[in-house]
Amino acid sequence: DAGVIQSPRHEVTEMGQEVTLRCKPISGHNSLFWYRQTMMRGLELLIYFNNNVPIDDSGMPEDRFSAKMPNASFSTLKIQPSEPRDSAVYFCASSLQNGGYGYTFGSGTRLTVV
Amino acid sequence: DAKTTQPPSMDCAEGRAANLPCNHSTISGNEYVYWYRQIHSQGPQYIIHGLKNNETNEMASLIITEDRKSSTLILPHATLRDTAVYYCIVRVTQGAQKLVFGQGTRLTINP
Repeated sequence: DAGVIQSPRHEVTEMGQEVTLRCKPISGHNSLFWYRQTMMRGLELLIYFNNNVPIDDSGMPEDRFSAKMPNASFSTLKIQPSEPRDSAVYFCASSLQNGGYGYTFGSGTRLTVV
Repeated sequence: DAKTTQPPSMDCAEGRAANLPCNHSTISGNEYVYWYRQIHSQGPQYIIHGLKNNETNEMASLIITEDRKSSTLILPHATLRDTAVYYCIVRVTQGAQKLVFGQGTRLTINP
């Protein structure tokens, strides 16, 4: 398995633009998580899905952020409109629901909003 | 999920055992201890987890005290590639799925 695949690896965009980050989880995993990492706040859980259904989005910072999981093999995190304070590394992770062997993280998307 | 306390940084000489402590004095009976690490610019990587018995795998050993209020992650022969931030997390395995990361311990392996 190629692991959790995220795209793009790097994204530079202007303030006000829409940004879409993509994630392909490991085949067979039925839980998916979006995290954001900054120097100031560390790793923050934004939202997670079980069986394609959003379970907890309490970490989503505001209405500018939205996440979808239309099927078991794909998820998106969208920011519209983007702001400079959204600059961070965004990680996607997947796991087996109720599985004890932890999450597998992708390589992340480094977002810079100028 | 119970909170954990880790030293912010540690150093270890290459080839020696690295022992990373974690306090989790409020851990509940159904909570597991998980360890992850994050090498610079990469996503966190699962290392090991346990409930109350000591665990060992190809990466590390996990020693949990009898009262389960603290644990130690042991990297038996540290290499330069083990330089990373190590996170200790306690959580239930079933039901609640959140994995909440603290600040971790920045481990530096010195040549």
